[in-house]
Amino acid sequence: DIQMTQSPSSLSASVGDRVTITCRASQTISSHLNWYQQKPGKAPTLLIYLASSLERGVPSRFSGSGSGTDFSLTISSLQPEDFATYYCQQSYSTPPDTFGQGTKLEIK
Amino acid sequence: EVQLVESGGGLIEPGGSLRLSCAASGFTFSNYWMHWVRQAPGKGLVWVSAITRDGITTRYADSVKGRFTISRDNAKNTVYLQMNSLRAEDTAVYYCARVDNPGGKDAFDIWGQGTMVTVSS
Repeated sequence: DIQMTQSPSSLSASVGDRVTITCRASQTISSHLNWYQQKPGKAPTLLIYLASSLERGVPSRFSGSGSGTDFSLTISSLQPEDFATYYCQQSYSTPPDTFGQGTKLEIK
Repeated sequence: EVQLVESGGGLIEPGGSLRLSCAASGFTFSNYWMHWVRQAPGKGLVWVSAITRDGITTRYADSVKGRFTISRDNAKNTVYLQMNSLRAEDTAVYYCARVDNPGGKDAFDIWGQGTMVTVSS
């Protein structure tokens, strides 16, 4: 199975900051990498698919990049509603569809 | 509106059985693979099971293989997860999710609200 490792596990930042979360796959997954946002008590929502494509309705301050084994999610200017937990997920070699362990983004 | 609505969760004793349902609406259900993903309290997302559009092929995580069965009824726009021999470690919120194969996203683009399963005596 492909393992997904996110870093950092948690992150404190302020409104207006630029933040980057990284995700590393244990083997190449081409561009088959997706990013999700999850707020407490809610289901995850899709932000980015195929490494860099923005899901419809997602603000343009979110962007994704990378290919092969190394990927990143960047929020260009944090807004109050962005404080949440973020997960990466590989869809290259399934099953299983493996997720990263999550990155909790908190207000500084 | 495109949506998925899960039901069937609850408190069950170890060794017991439970069947979860996920009702789809607002899209052509039979065009999509459907999945179950779970999340234990305070933990991350873990893929559980998947079923093809026609319901013929199914896939399972090793942790549930032989105990859980996924199925679907395209006439009722519903996917099911039959959970047998439940263990304490199966305690989690269970989400159904759609994978957007037709749209080429290859991602879970629609999720249900989740249903809580608690396995405890």
